Amino acid sequence: DSGVTQTPKHLITATGQRVTLRCSPRSGDLSVYWYQQSLDQGLQFLIQYYNGEERAKGNILERFSAQQFPDLHSELNLSSLELGDSALYFCASSPRGTSGGLKNEQFFGPGTRLTVL
Amino acid sequence: AQRVTQPEKLLSVFKGAPVELKCNYSYSGSPELFWYVQYSRQRLQLLLRHISRESIKGFTADLNKGETSFHLKKPFAQEEDSAMYYCAPSSRGGNQFYFGTGTSLTVIP
Repeated sequence: DSGVTQTPKHLITATGQRVTLRCSPRSGDLSVYWYQQSLDQGLQFLIQYYNGEERAKGNILERFSAQQFPDLHSELNLSSLELGDSALYFCASSPRGTSGGLKNEQFFGPGTRLTVL
Repeated sequence: AQRVTQPEKLLSVFKGAPVELKCNYSYSGSPELFWYVQYSRQRLQLLLRHISRESIKGFTADLNKGETSFHLKKPFAQEEDSAMYYCAPSSRGGNQFYFGTGTSLTVIP
């Protein structure tokens, strides 16, 4: 599958713990975006990386951090987990640093479902 | 602040009936507007974007700058249109999407 991949598919952990979610963008895509989808808030943009550099920041908590590695895969680190962090976390990629325009769109991964008990 | 409102969380229509999924946005500048769709057990994917003025799977969306709306329409709904639909403005040439909370469309056979 040459699309966006995310691991793990499901993650169950306890409050106070730390987890790492992984995303591999489509081949050739330089940008990676992270989103959080909770039941009552829809899709919330967290952060974007472009070719290893942070490009844009959304509603990302200080307990959360991300990075993009030289091979362009990205990791989202969530620490001091709280019950409210339970959500679906999506990663998306796009070819360039901008996601607008005719030739650019975001391609989404299947998501990681995080459950904090 | 950027805001997207999709007033209907759930929408049911009969097969063959017209369908309209509403989207209102509050956005500084001139955003680009997108509709994304998520079919059951599939990934979120782009449905259409306003700058292309395209019709995809029979859906069209008109940008009304005066009303700041970008409603998605289809004259005759099909069962395979049942899905979750998200309206998403993005800054022109920018890199942030602001997704609405989504509308779950069910087409009743």
